[in-house]
Amino acid sequence: DAGVTQSPTHLIKTRGQQVTLRCSPKSGHDTVSWYQQALGQGPQFIFQYYEEEERQRGNFPDRFSGHQFPNYSSELNVNALLLGDSALYLCASSRQDLNSPLHFGNGTRLTVT
Amino acid sequence: AQRVTQPEKLLSVFKGAPVELKCNYSYSGSPELFWYVQYSRQRLQLLLRHISRESIKGFTADLNKGETSFHLKKPFAQEEDSAMYYCALSGATSGTYKYIFGTGTRLKVLA
Repeated sequence: DAGVTQSPTHLIKTRGQQVTLRCSPKSGHDTVSWYQQALGQGPQFIFQYYEEEERQRGNFPDRFSGHQFPNYSSELNVNALLLGDSALYLCASSRQDLNSPLHFGNGTRLTVT
Repeated sequence: AQRVTQPEKLLSVFKGAPVELKCNYSYSGSPELFWYVQYSRQRLQLLLRHISRESIKGFTADLNKGETSFHLKKPFAQEEDSAMYYCALSGATSGTYKYIFGTGTRLKVLA
């Protein structure tokens, strides 16, 4: 079992550009959550996808959007990148029940210049 | 406000000494509490959760609802315990799916 896989591992973008990050959940998991982790901070919840729909959203602007595919994999899209979007983006998968703990990927390090 | 507070950014202890990583939370419902750990060059992974009431790698954590704390303890620290530790809560019983994480405590166990 490969666990949660994320791609790419690193990414450098320019302000104003758009970026897409990808995540494949752990086998047996149907729910994907995305978190942003700035330097020196804990992960912050962006949103969660289940059954191809956004089930819950954190305090992030509409520039952050996502998608979940029928095979449960997911994408995170960020438009009009700002310098402050530079962070580690973590994908976490779980089963759909509320008590299922999160399993994290290694993250994508996004640098906006 | 919903918040998880880990007051120590860095905690250094000698091998064999007891260790306690502090975690306090603020939440209006009945949260579920977790400790996640990140070893060097590894992904963030679940260490333990309060509903399991188990000891993992010698670590235990007791939920104190009166003090709204969930401190992580180990009686004898080992060098392999050196890692970044995050306390987190989820509002699972309130029907919310997001986790709220603290800012983390780096534990260094010195030989």
